[in-house]
Amino acid sequence: DQQVKQNSPSLSVQEGRISILNCDYTNSMFDYFLWYKKYPAEGPTFLISISSIKDKNEDGRFTVFLNKSAKHLSLHIVPSQPGDSAVYFCAAIQSGGYQKVTFGTGTKLQVIP
Amino acid sequence: NAGVTQTPKFRVLKTGQSMTLLCAQDMNHEYMYWYRQDPGMGLRLIHYSVGEGTTAKGEVPDGYNVSRLKKQNFLLGLESAAPSQTSVYFCASGRAQYFGPGTRLLVL
Repeated sequence: DQQVKQNSPSLSVQEGRISILNCDYTNSMFDYFLWYKKYPAEGPTFLISISSIKDKNEDGRFTVFLNKSAKHLSLHIVPSQPGDSAVYFCAAIQSGGYQKVTFGTGTKLQVIP
Repeated sequence: NAGVTQTPKFRVLKTGQSMTLLCAQDMNHEYMYWYRQDPGMGLRLIHYSVGEGTTAKGEVPDGYNVSRLKKQNFLLGLESAAPSQTSVYFCASGRAQYFGPGTRLLVL
């Protein structure tokens, strides 16, 4: 049972335009969400996060939006740059205990120059 | 400050062979994790540790064992490798999940 889903395995965007990566979750107990970026042959690197008490968090070109009622979050990259081409994973944490992290399956973003 | 390191980077095993993957972190983190990444499956948690001397099972623990004898090291063992264990293995450290560079394992 995939509790965190990224339904788009890939996405292509023109340089300078907005990239929107989507993530849906089913577990209402998740209360912290993260996005990771992964280049080939490297480990994932943390990008941005959001707590369930917020609906938006911004860091430079990256903004994460959370819609708790829809159990949906999205990552916006504006403007997109060729260096943003990577696989993006969303992840969710259920606090309490050891804070298990559940990852989505990833979306491969290609930014076309 | 190396962060999270993994050894080896790549390994080929024959079915039935054993090996140990080492994860080391220099950030004094209590939490450490082992994941495997397979195409279309995302990152799946194998085992984790919340501190020295502690380990616990994740989503896909079968066929693996772990040990956390020292706080900075988290070892993942395969006692009898199977082709289904062909994967890329990532170690992560800390609640913010600082990842190592990965170990690519091929089991023939």
